[in-house]
Formats: sequence, C-alpha cells, structure tokens
Amino acid sequence: AQSVTQPDIHITVSEGASLELRCNYSYGATPYLFWYVQSPGQGLQLLLKYFSGDTLVQGIKGFEAEFKRSQSSFNLRKPSVHWSDAAEYFCAVGPRSGSSGAGSYQLTFGKGTKLSVIP
Amino acid sequence: DGGITQSPKYLFRKEGQNVTLSCEQNLNHDAMYWYRQDPGQGLRLIYYSQIVNDFQKGDIAEGYSVSREKKESFPLTVTSAQKNPTAFYLCASSAYLRETQYFGPGTRLLVL
Repeated sequence: AQSVTQPDIHITVSEGASLELRCNYSYGATPYLFWYVQSPGQGLQLLLKYFSGDTLVQGIKGFEAEFKRSQSSFNLRKPSVHWSDAAEYFCAVGPRSGSSGAGSYQLTFGKGTKLSVIP
Repeated sequence: DGGITQSPKYLFRKEGQNVTLSCEQNLNHDAMYWYRQDPGQGLRLIYYSQIVNDFQKGDIAEGYSVSREKKESFPLTVTSAQKNPTAFYLCASSAYLRETQYFGPGTRLLVL
C-alpha cells in the first residue's frame, strides 16, 4: 500500500532562515508528487508538483522541491522564510496517468508539517 | 474568475439529521473529489467522481453519499449514519482523474 511520511509534525524557524520540510513515500513505481500549503481554516493551495523530467522543481512563493528516487523523498525547500509562510504543509503522492487497475486510483496525503515563523 | 466554491463555510448538524455540503466548480474539470480532514490526520478520501453520473467510494465512504448530475456540481450528504461527522470537508477537482487536484475553501461541520 502506498504511504507518505512527513516526519516533522511542527517546525519553528526564524524569519530569513532557510527551510527544509521532509517527505518520504512508499510506492510501487515512480508516482506523481505534490506539495500543498494550507492556512488555518482555508483550503489547500498547490505549491508545486513533479510529474517527470528535471528532478528539481520550482514552485510558487519561492519554494522548490527535489525528487530523489533512490531515497524515495521529495523534500520541500525555501532559502529564506517570510512570516507569511507560516502555515501547514502537505506532501501527497498519486498514480501516474495511464496507470492500470480499477482500484489503483488514490492521492495519498501525509499528515502535514506545521510551520511557525519567529519574526 | 475560475475556481471551486463550497458552501456553507460553517454547518451545524443536529442528532439524526442529514446535511448536504455544496461544491461547485467552473474550471470545466471532469473529475471531482471529497476529502475529510481531522486535526493531525491529513486528508482522507470520501468519494470521487471521474465523470457525470459516475462516482466511486474512497477510504471512508460509510455514512456519506454523493451525486454527480452535472459536471459543475458534486454535493456531499452527511447522513445520520455518520456517527462522528465533526470535521473540515474539502472538495477538489481535476481536469481528469489523476491530474493535479485543486481545492475549494472548505466547509466546517459541527454537531449540536
């Protein structure tokens, strides 16, 4: 069964510091990979996604993520955090288009990492 | 503006009552989804629909029902059989199944 692990439940960083949020997945093949961000009481906003090609993916708000197949990881990074980045971040994995199997559809989410930013 | 709307923002349910959450999209997406979010639990899939008049159960469909009569709309009914309905409910859509999902603002359901 596929699974996503975000090992850090809560991270606190100072404004201007660099950030790395970890995501590890278990999946039978190379999946589609996503990072979403959620502000309190709001829906999820897509930050970036990896489908194929360059393993370093650029997203919105200055975020990037690197897909490492050998480590089954898709860590999210930002070189300098802003106070407005405080939110909860979710990693998700899903099957590629064209994957076979009636029961194979599932976008699996990690449990999230809450980011706090110290001014 | 294209997007996904959910209403109401807050919904209160009395014991034994069925309630319906609305989800509308004007993105011309074929696929739509309902998720439940509980604190510290991430998102869990309730139902999804690949196309009009078709829908499939997700991991936690018990106590919920859906319909997909129009491409733009995918309402979720929380029935009285759902014994623990208090949660944040998120609707999403994608151009096709397995494509990138985009989310609505959510509905918070509370039990009186």
